[in-house]
Amino acid sequence: AQSVTQLDSQVPVFEEAPVELRCNYSSSVSVYLFWYVQYPNQGLQLLLKYLSGSTLVKGINGFEAEFNKSQTSFHLRKPSVHISDTAEYFCAVSPLYNQGGKLIFGQGTELSVKP
Amino acid sequence: NAGVMQNPRHLVRRRGQEARLRCSPMKGHSHVYWYRQLPEEGLKFMVYLQKENIIDESGMPKERFSAEFPKEGPSILRIQQVVRGDSAAYFCASSPEVSSYNSPLHFGNGTRLTVT
Repeated sequence: AQSVTQLDSQVPVFEEAPVELRCNYSSSVSVYLFWYVQYPNQGLQLLLKYLSGSTLVKGINGFEAEFNKSQTSFHLRKPSVHISDTAEYFCAVSPLYNQGGKLIFGQGTELSVKP
Repeated sequence: NAGVMQNPRHLVRRRGQEARLRCSPMKGHSHVYWYRQLPEEGLKFMVYLQKENIIDESGMPKERFSAEFPKEGPSILRIQQVVRGDSAAYFCASSPEVSSYNSPLHFGNGTRLTVT
């Protein structure tokens, strides 16, 4: 079985500061990794995904994430956040043998950007 | 190009009533997934359907819940005899026929079910 742990439920940060949202996963098989963003009262939007290859993945809106297999982590980073980045962020995994749409999500991290 | 459409956006039901949630996938998408988001939790997979077929229902509660995706019309998630614990946001996502790892899931805005 797989599980995903997002280590921080809430992350407050000032505008233009850097941010890191942490994600660790547990799996006995290889997985694909994803970060999604959920703005208030909306559905989830894919930020970025890691399937294979380079462990540093760049996504939309200036976000990037680094896959660390030895530490089973996939932390999300942005060097300078904007007010508009305020949202809930979800890390998710999917075993390689699964159908593509069956994801296991973490509990979410609420990013709050203050002016 | 319309996205994934879910309706209603908000649904209030009394205990014991039935809830019917609708999802129209993106144009050209024939794979539909339903997820449930309980308060303060992440999304949990419920069921995966293709047209007229249930592919994986491993996340569906054994009783009171059912899902369908008919040849014509939207996918329906049906909850019979709702209880307060069914209060949650229910999200539908769709993907095209090709491998969905290269085509990301497209999520709807969800239906927020409140059971009173």
